[in-house]
Amino acid sequence: RKEVEQDPGPFNVPEGATVAFNCTYSNSASQSFFWYRQDCRKEPKLLMSVYSSGNEDGRFTAQLNRASQYISLLIRDSKLSDSATYLCVVNPGAGSYQLTFGKGTKLSVIP
Amino acid sequence: ETGVTQTPRHLVMGMTNKKSLKCEQHLGHNAMYWYKQSAKKPLELMFVYNFKEQTENNSVPSRFSPECPNSSHLFLHLHTLQPEDSALYLCASSQELPEGVRFTLHFGNGTRLTVT
Repeated sequence: RKEVEQDPGPFNVPEGATVAFNCTYSNSASQSFFWYRQDCRKEPKLLMSVYSSGNEDGRFTAQLNRASQYISLLIRDSKLSDSATYLCVVNPGAGSYQLTFGKGTKLSVIP
Repeated sequence: ETGVTQTPRHLVMGMTNKKSLKCEQHLGHNAMYWYKQSAKKPLELMFVYNFKEQTENNSVPSRFSPECPNSSHLFLHLHTLQPEDSALYLCASSQELPEGVRFTLHFGNGTRLTVT
């Protein structure tokens, strides 16, 4: 089983739609979780951290399910500017530099 | 945003060449990283420096040689590369170790390397 697994997509959604991505991780001892966004031919940038109780930042909601070892990202009211690749990132444990990245899920928001 | 700057943006080199990638961070961070991003693969950690000391070498071939003269600068020296080394090489920095939800990696805009 891959360490961090994401559906590569692409997800093609119309403006205003709600879209959700899931990410599964294999290491049950993983301690912290993040979503990064990477625009085409650009560097990844932190979108949001994922808190145990779930957290929301504007149109974006992140959830963590430790029992099932997955995290999710929900985007409401999609904008054209949301088009990007969304990377699921997992920190396997304390003191480790080895953040594990998923391959990413590509989102295209269509006018 | 100029927090982490990488040069050059693009590099084409032959297999017998020697070249260097440069990274500079202006964020006052203590840790710097080299990542490799190949097509259809997840980001792979190559090297980590914390307070100028190398703390991680992720089984990277010796044809890649990192150098960290101070906390703000990081180099990746390249020699006798192979075509499969063609990829986007990303430098990143962070204030501290990746612990907890407050951790953030700040990436540079990368060097797109093509080995011919």
